[in-house]
Amino acid sequence: DTAVSQTPKYLVTQMGNDKSIKCEQNLGHDTMYWYKQDSKKFLKIMFSYNNKELIINETVPNRFSPKSPDKAHLNLHINSLELGDSAVYFCASSQAGVPGLEQYFGPGTRLTVL
Amino acid sequence: DQQVKQNSPSLSVQEGRISILNCDYTNSMFDYFLWYKKYPAEGPTFLISISSIKDKNEDGRFTVFLNKSAKHLSLHIVPSQPGDSAVYFCAASVGGGSNYKLTFGKGTLLTVNP
Repeated sequence: DTAVSQTPKYLVTQMGNDKSIKCEQNLGHDTMYWYKQDSKKFLKIMFSYNNKELIINETVPNRFSPKSPDKAHLNLHINSLELGDSAVYFCASSQAGVPGLEQYFGPGTRLTVL
Repeated sequence: DQQVKQNSPSLSVQEGRISILNCDYTNSMFDYFLWYKKYPAEGPTFLISISSIKDKNEDGRFTVFLNKSAKHLSLHIVPSQPGDSAVYFCAASVGGGSNYKLTFGKGTLLTVNP
């Protein structure tokens, strides 16, 4: 009965590999997000999807490709991983159209690129 | 171009006393401000928010004050409890359409000592 879930929680991989992180929400929200928390602890938006449509793409390298098969899922695929991709990635969801509405976050996926 | 700043990386208070966490912003278009709390290895969870048309919002032990002219807000926790020990993020948003997103500060680590 977790509201926003992510898998895996931890991911350790070598440079150059391709990896995916999955996210699912059971809140019935129509908008989902990916945030990245880097070593400086900033939480920065990467992407948002509304009803499976890409809305926000915050100048993220095109090695990062989000995919939303349906409203409840937003996956993040990363090609050719680099050392600088090491971070914690958070998925979130909310209902669009309501100013100031909180977003619900998943537990995060800690990605370590060696 | 940090639009939301939390200049204190950490704060330590005694149990039962008041905790005051501060946040400054630069973008005058922000119309909602939110506080999130984050425990280690978990995602941020929503705590309290305030609209830019208000100067105070209270929810139990938590009160947020907004000073629009100074572009400053603060979160007051009274009385502080050891379970409040966490990282607190200030976030801000503009509007509520499908491109709604949160802009976060770096966070302040609050430690409440028994």
